[in-house]
Amino acid sequence: GAVVSQHPSWVICKSGTSVKIECRSLDFQATTMFWYRQFPKQSLMLMATSNEGSKATYEQGVEKDKFLINHASLTLSTLTVTSAHPEDSSFYICSGAQGETQYFGPGTRLLVL
Amino acid sequence: AQTVTQSQPEMSVQEAETVTLSCTYDTSENNYYLFWYKQPPSRQMILVIRQEAYKQQNATENRFSVNFQKAAKSFSLKISDSQLGDTAMYFCAFMNRDDKIIFGKGTRLHILP
Repeated sequence: GAVVSQHPSWVICKSGTSVKIECRSLDFQATTMFWYRQFPKQSLMLMATSNEGSKATYEQGVEKDKFLINHASLTLSTLTVTSAHPEDSSFYICSGAQGETQYFGPGTRLLVL
Repeated sequence: AQTVTQSQPEMSVQEAETVTLSCTYDTSENNYYLFWYKQPPSRQMILVIRQEAYKQQNATENRFSVNFQKAAKSFSLKISDSQLGDTAMYFCAFMNRDDKIIFGKGTRLHILP
């Protein structure tokens, strides 16, 4: 299957700082990538849809100024958590769409102190 | 609204036994895709099996098969000859016409030695 990577896998930051998470499709081109958030022992919650060369589409309740998404190429999408606060601590997962199937990255665990 | 319901929060079975995970969904669309994803302790989301709604034949992938009942909006996963490595969280998922995936809350499956 198609491979998606995420970097970093782990990040700890101080409250008020910004953190960037990269999502790369390694062996396919993904015109569409998705960003999810997963709280412990819960399901994945879609945050936004990232389209190459255009603005991201955010789900209801997700602050677009808080979670900046850039999809600059067919293989790279980035999520920047701006002015992070402890409540932003979570597991963030991206996926790349190839046809009708989404392939997921390994996730990034963010801890905001 | 489109929803995915997994009624079994947790299940345990002995190694080598067969287990069936239930999933129902609700949609007014006629053409869509259904998936089962596995999330082991590593938290990497892994595609287990995929079903296209316009295909009547149930999808199979080695030890994994589905029972797709379109009229009943049911999509159960059967794991045959279960193995210790099958221990994971299993998410049933529905892809809508906007290519967004809606996940169920998951079933935590324990394979006992």
